[in-house]
Amino acid sequence: DTAVSQTPKYLVTQMGNDKSIKCEQNLGHDTMYWYKQDSKKFLKIMFSYNNKELIINETVPNRFSPKSPDKAHLNLHINSLELGDSAVYFCASRDRGTGELFFGEGSRLTVL
Amino acid sequence: AQRVTQPEKLLSVFKGAPVELKCNYSYSGSPELFWYVQYSRQRLQLLLRHISRESIKGFTADLNKGETSFHLKKPFAQEEDSAMYYCALSGRGGGSEKLVFGKGTKLTVNP
Repeated sequence: DTAVSQTPKYLVTQMGNDKSIKCEQNLGHDTMYWYKQDSKKFLKIMFSYNNKELIINETVPNRFSPKSPDKAHLNLHINSLELGDSAVYFCASRDRGTGELFFGEGSRLTVL
Repeated sequence: AQRVTQPEKLLSVFKGAPVELKCNYSYSGSPELFWYVQYSRQRLQLLLRHISRESIKGFTADLNKGETSFHLKKPFAQEEDSAMYYCALSGRGGGSEKLVFGKGTKLTVNP
């Protein structure tokens, strides 16, 4: 039973296209995140939602729009893709008691 | 503001040698510190957190508030320890939900 699952795992697309990545967690956590891992393996927080409410938005371009239909899901939509958006995007949910983050396997986005 | 510094981008040791991955942090409040590990082509997973004071896979880390450090140590490195290691910081209490990661250290354990 996968705790945090992301789809798709791989995404190759052209500049200017719009794409979405979906994330679901079955851990019952209230808080979910999107992180971006670039080619240098730097992990940068993008967004966080707590019980469907946006609580962290780290100066991410407006082309990125997260959506949380319920607390078990946090999707990421990206408009007008640019070359610099190529990265691995990780979804995570957080155990409020321990503070531990549980990560998905990542979605590798390649923009050509 | 929360900041985590991992000064070594790459660290290479031989099997059986001691290893120390450095982590320094900056935070005005009471911090929670974590170490996460990412093995090749796998998801990130928690290695240990300072509150639990446990040893996982032979690794330990002690929070030194005076030096604002949380270095990760293992007395005898194994080849399977080769991975990316990330130090992470979260504020404690006050509803702080932001977990900030350092830039990571790639550990290579050579046979």
